[in-house]
Amino acid sequence: SAVISQKPSRDICQRGTSLTIQCQVDSQVTMMFWYRQQPGQSLTLIATANQGSEATYESGFVIDKFPISRPNLTFSTLTVSNMSPEDSSIYLCSASDPGVFRNTEAFFGQGTRLTVV
Amino acid sequence: KNEVEQSPQNLTAQEGEFITINCSYSVGISALHWLQQHPGGGIVSLFMLSSGKKKHGRLIATINIQEKHSSLHITASHPRDSAVYICAVEGGATNKLIFGTGTLLAVQP
Repeated sequence: SAVISQKPSRDICQRGTSLTIQCQVDSQVTMMFWYRQQPGQSLTLIATANQGSEATYESGFVIDKFPISRPNLTFSTLTVSNMSPEDSSIYLCSASDPGVFRNTEAFFGQGTRLTVV
Repeated sequence: KNEVEQSPQNLTAQEGEFITINCSYSVGISALHWLQQHPGGGIVSLFMLSSGKKKHGRLIATINIQEKHSSLHITASHPRDSAVYICAVEGGATNKLIFGTGTLLAVQP
């Protein structure tokens, strides 16, 4: 199994500012993902973080708003830029590696609960 | 219509009761995941299924590929089982997950 350390666990931010969320995995993984969970909603995939190249964003999400870094196989960051109250959500990172873990079992960070005021 | 539907959306049970949460999906999948989300937001993977049945402690998960349906059962439920249970399906080669809306379970002592 893998352990993912995500931080911060929660933050309250002023509108117009940016917040960077970090995820550290205790082993090398091929795939890392970033999700958003708006209040009362299910998880929505923001992007796939690709090691050494630009992230692959889902429809409705853009790099300028959610820049992602993946400098190596154990670490990734998501920045929520120029925040507005509509960005208040839980943000989660996830990792999987079909070549290492049982098939494609997914592991998740503890989540970052973001409130924008 | 969502690609992954869960029922019920909310469930309240008394301690000791047998609980069933259902998940139906409309897309072809390579695997189905059952996840548990606690109030702080963190998610724990409970099961990953591609066929048949798996058991871990008091939890049992089954899947019927032909009917595109899965169930999560909790035997002898306990207040510490209170959480949101999420069904997610995985299809294709990208390992992307499609999530259900979750079932909020409250087990009362």
